[in-house]
Amino acid sequence: GAVVSQHPSWVICKSGTSVKIECRSLDFQATTMFWYRQFPKQSLMLMATSNEGSKATYEQGVEKDKFLINHASLTLSTLTVTSAHPEDSSFYICSASSVSGGESYEQYFGPGTRLTVT
Amino acid sequence: GESVGLHLPTLSVQEGDNSIINCAYSNSASDYFIWYKQESGKGPQFIIDIRSNMDKRQGQRVTVLLNKTVKHLSLQIAATQPGDSAVYFCAENIRGDYKLSFGAGTTVTVRA
Repeated sequence: GAVVSQHPSWVICKSGTSVKIECRSLDFQATTMFWYRQFPKQSLMLMATSNEGSKATYEQGVEKDKFLINHASLTLSTLTVTSAHPEDSSFYICSASSVSGGESYEQYFGPGTRLTVT
Repeated sequence: GESVGLHLPTLSVQEGDNSIINCAYSNSASDYFIWYKQESGKGPQFIIDIRSNMDKRQGQRVTVLLNKTVKHLSLQIAATQPGDSAVYFCAENIRGDYKLSFGAGTTVTVRA
């Protein structure tokens, strides 16, 4: 159980275009989803937290108008990189969680999406 | 077994030996800790977790130790196998804050 998928697994786009990445929880309802970015040989950096039906909360330094997040259902969140530039090339990873009672909880990670902007 | 000092990014271990990966955390309010394994080009994979009311937890071939006094976390892998080669991250979570904060990661390479 607790499987999270991402689509696409990799994408190449031209500078100035937009790219949408999907994150789905396949066998549970995710009240909260997270989007991370990981550059080569670095750790995961949280970009934003999204709760179903509400606006995403972005981490400091992350441009909300550039990285659009939509969490329209309990099983799907999307990240759209708008007007992508080569510096946006990275490994984007989502995670999903089902939170209750304010307790600490586990996040289930997707397989990641490799974005290359040319 | 071999151990790595805090913040060292790599660990090379002989197949069959035990591995010890260390992690320091900074927030004394953190109450939940997780170790993840990440293979090249893949997302993090849950290994084991521990809550702050415990100081040791064991899984299959893995043990996590938590020392809250010095804010130190370690992952021990018994009888390390080639399939254990990966980057290992510790992550911490503060009660009531659903976010995870990841450490820098340690790359483990298993020598045949």
